[in-house]
Amino acid sequence: KNEVEQSPQNLTAQEGEFITINCSYSVGISALHWLQQHPGGGIVSLFMLSSGKKKHGRLIATINIQEKHSSLHITASHPRDSAVYICAVFYGGSQGNLIFGKGTKLSVKP
Amino acid sequence: DAGVIQSPRHEVTEMGQEVTLRCKPISGHNSLFWYRQTMMRGLELLIYFNNNVPIDDSGMPEDRFSAKMPNASFSTLKIQPSEPRDSAVYFCASSFGTGRGGQYFGPGTRLTVT
Repeated sequence: KNEVEQSPQNLTAQEGEFITINCSYSVGISALHWLQQHPGGGIVSLFMLSSGKKKHGRLIATINIQEKHSSLHITASHPRDSAVYICAVFYGGSQGNLIFGKGTKLSVKP
Repeated sequence: DAGVIQSPRHEVTEMGQEVTLRCKPISGHNSLFWYRQTMMRGLELLIYFNNNVPIDDSGMPEDRFSAKMPNASFSTLKIQPSEPRDSAVYFCASSFGTGRGGQYFGPGTRLTVT
């Protein structure tokens, strides 16, 4: 069975802390997508990666294809980072083969 | 660019009624995706189009659901007849090419079927 598991499910941090959200999957993939869903419901694409590491501002995403694992890091966290972070994997070479994780709810306290 | 536009933003309807959700992708994007999000199941891909052609509709839950993309700038997701378990937020997203550059999501339509 194809699964995408995220950890932790819920995360509370103090402003300024370094945050790591993990995503593990059970099949070979062609790409992995990190999404951010704001408290209001809007969804933003953060990263799409198939190898190595990508960085955008305070966000860093890494992927280890051999270990079937990806991490999303947030440096110097801020209350505006509070959101649900969702990992999704593309497998089988088709955009339709997409499985989502359940999300990690992050709350950053001032 | 206005981003992906969805309408309506909220829809409340009675069981058995037909519901039509609309999406306008970002100009120039040639892939369009319909997703459903519920508390129980999270985000699920329902169907995606490439160059206006449905490529994979394996996520469409039942024959009550249908989607069309008559042209590059418009798509609809129709539920007929609607049922209470269809209550969810429906997102439309678009991308260019293979989507490896990321998908751009619309604001979603919150559907409530009573």
